[in-house]
Amino acid sequence: DVKVTQSSRYLVKRTGEKVFLECVQDMDHENMFWYRQDPGLGLRLIYFSYDVKMKEKGDIPEGYSVSREKKERFSLILESASTNQTSMYLCASSLSQGVYLYYGYTFGSGTRLTVV
Amino acid sequence: DQQVKQNSPSLSVQEGRISILNCDYTNSMFDYFLWYKKYPAEGPTFLISISSIKDKNEDGRFTVFLNKSAKHLSLHIVPSQPGDSAVYFCAASANNAGNMLTFGGGTRLMVKP
Repeated sequence: DVKVTQSSRYLVKRTGEKVFLECVQDMDHENMFWYRQDPGLGLRLIYFSYDVKMKEKGDIPEGYSVSREKKERFSLILESASTNQTSMYLCASSLSQGVYLYYGYTFGSGTRLTVV
Repeated sequence: DQQVKQNSPSLSVQEGRISILNCDYTNSMFDYFLWYKKYPAEGPTFLISISSIKDKNEDGRFTVFLNKSAKHLSLHIVPSQPGDSAVYFCAASANNAGNMLTFGGGTRLMVKP
């Protein structure tokens, strides 16, 4: 039973293209997150959202924007893709409270984006 | 400023032996710690967690130890199996920070048959 779904597993885009990465969760979670994972750098937070239409910058927001029009959907937008944005992108969601009772974040399967 | 650090980027262990993955943190406000396991081309999945009121939590072959005074936690896998080969991330949460998780850089575990 898939709970956090990322629309694409693999994506190849050209430099300068506008790229949309979509994430949908069916657990009625308030919080949603976008991370990128690069070798040796771990998981780096790009943006997160704690409510519909709300967004907060993470550690590396430059070159990215996000949209959360509905509670279940969180989109990551690369305004003008560059080769240094080639990475594995991970979406996650969580409840806003009671992390002790649950298992932290639930992650999607990831999108491997290559910008050429 | 990395608040959660995994100083070993990789670890190689023989099948059947113990794997010990380490994690250090600097923020004394962290009060809940989790370990995630990640296979290539998949998202991280929750493995085990521990509250700061405990010093040990066990789940089958996996045990997490917490040493608050040293700000150190470790994940023990006994016995290690080839299927345990993955990247392991530790994460920490502070109740006064909206339950946001801070992740370490990950350790790649390779279990050799």
